[in-house]
Amino acid sequence: GAGVSQSPSNKVTEKGKDVELRCDPISGHTALYWYRQSLGQGLEFLIYFQGNSAPDKSGLPSDRFSAERTGGSVSTLTIQRTQQEDSAVYLCASSLVHGSNQPQHFGDGTRLSIL
Amino acid sequence: DQQVKQNSPSLSVQEGRISILNCDYTNSMFDYFLWYKKYPAEGPTFLISISSIKDKNEDGRFTVFLNKSAKHLSLHIVPSQPGDSAVYFCAASEAGTASKLTFGTGTRLQVTL
Repeated sequence: GAGVSQSPSNKVTEKGKDVELRCDPISGHTALYWYRQSLGQGLEFLIYFQGNSAPDKSGLPSDRFSAERTGGSVSTLTIQRTQQEDSAVYLCASSLVHGSNQPQHFGDGTRLSIL
Repeated sequence: DQQVKQNSPSLSVQEGRISILNCDYTNSMFDYFLWYKKYPAEGPTFLISISSIKDKNEDGRFTVFLNKSAKHLSLHIVPSQPGDSAVYFCAASEAGTASKLTFGTGTRLQVTL
């Protein structure tokens, strides 16, 4: 498809387990972002990748969260030793970067539920 | 510290009338503003954006107004249609190029027949 693709769409896991969430950005988009939306809240920035530059990790809530982007395309967000407060919808977005403002385009998210 | 605020959690408008959604921000470094629409179980869909060098941007039924001195922006939808019923998020970023977005908490718009 032409849009941002995320998998899985839903994930239920037990507290303490590790989870991996995947994002395929729009082809040709050099910038990739992860956000999360907790119940009743707005979207919260987590991490940002731009080309080969070091990622902006300023939004990661704890060291249990990490992300990587391989080959400048697919990204994986990993949460280790999950806690109940990690339950949220995790959204990935991508955008073109050509020196002017470009909107971010979102996938449909992964709904993560920690039991 | 909520840097982008949408103070109305919900709004109900009759079909055919104008919908006005409001957003306030506190960070004077924001220079790019966007509106997204979100349906349940889907990701946010980009609607319209505006750069801080403008005070108005129009795209079909959607117009965004920016008042920098008041740190306020609004989204006007006219005429409103039932399919516009969704949650609308205001977002802002600091850099001139793509950067992390700061979102408001959203306004749920319901367009009634």
